[in-house]
Amino acid sequence: EPEVTQTPSHQVTQMGQEVILRCVPISNHLYFYWYRQILGQKVEFLVSFYNNEISEKSEIFDDQFSVERPDGSNFTLKIRSTKLEDSAMYFCASSVTGRSEQYFGPGTRLTVT
Amino acid sequence: AQTVTQSQPEMSVQEAETVTLSCTYDTSESDYYLFWYKQPPSRQMILVIRQEAYKQQNATENRFSVNFQKAAKSFSLKISDSQLGDAAMYFCALTLNTGTASKLTFGTGTRLQVTL
Repeated sequence: EPEVTQTPSHQVTQMGQEVILRCVPISNHLYFYWYRQILGQKVEFLVSFYNNEISEKSEIFDDQFSVERPDGSNFTLKIRSTKLEDSAMYFCASSVTGRSEQYFGPGTRLTVT
Repeated sequence: AQTVTQSQPEMSVQEAETVTLSCTYDTSESDYYLFWYKQPPSRQMILVIRQEAYKQQNATENRFSVNFQKAAKSFSLKISDSQLGDAAMYFCALTLNTGTASKLTFGTGTRLQVTL
């Protein structure tokens, strides 16, 4: 069964460093999303992406964040200068249409020290 | 803006018994979808069940079923014949049937314990 994959599973970085989180969505999906979950809290929407551009972004997704689909398979989330409060689980998701169920990857746990 | 509320932070059920997890939501839109996602200790988010707001019939998926009350904006999940593997965090989520790529709005989750 096709699934969303994410790498790395765990990333530790120092405050101020840049990180890139990688995702490979399900191959026939056209809509891509990033969410984050701070430990013990609910899952929060960051950004949605379709047709090589951002469809919607939340207030969390400020200028420090960017997304890219560099090739036909990868979907990346870049945090330019990490802060302590960026420590969270980051989930990538994809869907066939903009309204169908979203399938999530296993997540990347980001720890900023 | 839409909101999703899960008022039960924790629930417990004995193996083979039935449990119902509550969810209420608020949106001014009439066309939307509702979901239940399961998050086991591995923290992977797994889709459990989906309900379209325009459908009056409650969705079912094997041992999982929902009670969708559109007027009351209520969307509860019933798990029948509970199994140890059902122990997880359960999140209720809503997405609108508008826009290009509709985001999911999640509730705060209910932690389900399954005991022998």
